[in-house]
Amino acid sequence: SQQGEEDPQALSIQEGENATMNCSYKTSINNLQWYRQNSGRGLVHLILIRSNEREKHSGRLRVTLDTSKKSSSLLITASRAADTASYFCATASGGSYIPTFGRGTSLIVHP
Amino acid sequence: GAGVSQSPSNKVTEKGKDVELRCDPISGHTALYWYRQSLGQGLEFLIYFQGNSAPDKSGLPSDRFSAERTGGSVSTLTIQRTQQEDSAVYLCASRSGGDNRANVLTFGAGSRLTVL
Repeated sequence: SQQGEEDPQALSIQEGENATMNCSYKTSINNLQWYRQNSGRGLVHLILIRSNEREKHSGRLRVTLDTSKKSSSLLITASRAADTASYFCATASGGSYIPTFGRGTSLIVHP
Repeated sequence: GAGVSQSPSNKVTEKGKDVELRCDPISGHTALYWYRQSLGQGLEFLIYFQGNSAPDKSGLPSDRFSAERTGGSVSTLTIQRTQQEDSAVYLCASRSGGDNRANVLTFGAGSRLTVL
């Protein structure tokens, strides 16, 4: 069963707009990661946020983590057509070394 | 190598045949994972290797699935007597070892399996 679930399942926006994706999870975690998957490719790691962090930035990406609500959000600012991809959150809880992935959010950015 | 390499990239087989999928992880990465991704679905964990420890096989869906990792490097995922529901993309990932709770994985491009 999935630990993390992304919302929405699909998101369609215009270039230049911001895209926000959410991830909810069920059990306590050590950290939460976001990955991107372009069509027909493997996943690429974007950013990791630890359980004691609340916000993290990397370029046009901003990730927040609310451990009390067991949720995270990924914000992509000033989106580009090249950001079109599926985005997945991954969590590992307790002493596990096995990240569990959600079903992903499919983002389409129209030029 | 520079990245995680998987082969074949595409495999079409007939129901009942056996298939082998290969993963060549990043050199020096002691941890190796196999996941399965069905159309429109998330990643389903299959098996995890860490160094010389016994693998975590808790995600293998049936005894038709097996995997081995030779010499702590290359891994082969074998599916015996394939069924149509085995059709999916099989993704391999590796991670540097040690007590690394960050669990940041580097993925290969995947092997797309189609069972007719």
